[in-house]
Amino acid sequence: AQTVTQSQPEMSVQEAETVTLSCTYDTSENNYYLFWYKQPPSRQMILVIRQEAYKQQNATENRFSVNFQKAAKSFSLKISDSQLGDTAMYFCAFMGLTGANSKLTFGKGITLSVRP
Amino acid sequence: GAGVSQSPSNKVTEKGKDVELRCDPISGHTALYWYRQSLGQGLEFLIYFQGNSAPDKSGLPSDRFSAERTGGSVSTLTIQRTQQEDSAVYLCASSYYLSSYEQYFGPGTRLTVT
Repeated sequence: AQTVTQSQPEMSVQEAETVTLSCTYDTSENNYYLFWYKQPPSRQMILVIRQEAYKQQNATENRFSVNFQKAAKSFSLKISDSQLGDTAMYFCAFMGLTGANSKLTFGKGITLSVRP
Repeated sequence: GAGVSQSPSNKVTEKGKDVELRCDPISGHTALYWYRQSLGQGLEFLIYFQGNSAPDKSGLPSDRFSAERTGGSVSTLTIQRTQQEDSAVYLCASSYYLSSYEQYFGPGTRLTVT
């Protein structure tokens, strides 16, 4: 079974600054996907970024980038130029590629507050 | 296009009553997932469908929970004899096919059992 750990329950960052959210995971699989999801107070889960495990290059999406360390089973999210709209809960998630493993396994989430 | 929709948005029920939660996936998506988000347990997987088939029901927390999907589209999650610990947000997601890397989530149903 897979596990995802987010050890920081909450973080705060000043608007326009950079913040890094940590995530570690455990799996015996070699191929899988990793994701960061954002959940604002509206409850809508929004995909922020994904990383395929077979790719060595770290994924980037505008102000969001990841640091994927496969050997260390680490997957952190960096948010640059933080904006007030980034305030939300962020979940790290794992997904396998076969059958029942295609479900998402989530970490407990981190509450990010962006201060004006 | 339309996203995943769920109804009702909020549901308050008395302990012991049955409830039905509905999920309308994105048209053409063959895979559908149910998750539960609660304060104590975080986000946990409940069940998935490939077409109308649910090969693995082991994520359902008890035999009071059941789910079905008809016509490869709408899914219903039913909780019988609700308990206070069933209070949570129930999220539905769909994807083009099983193992498709992006699951699109609905807005969830907040269930409160009094």
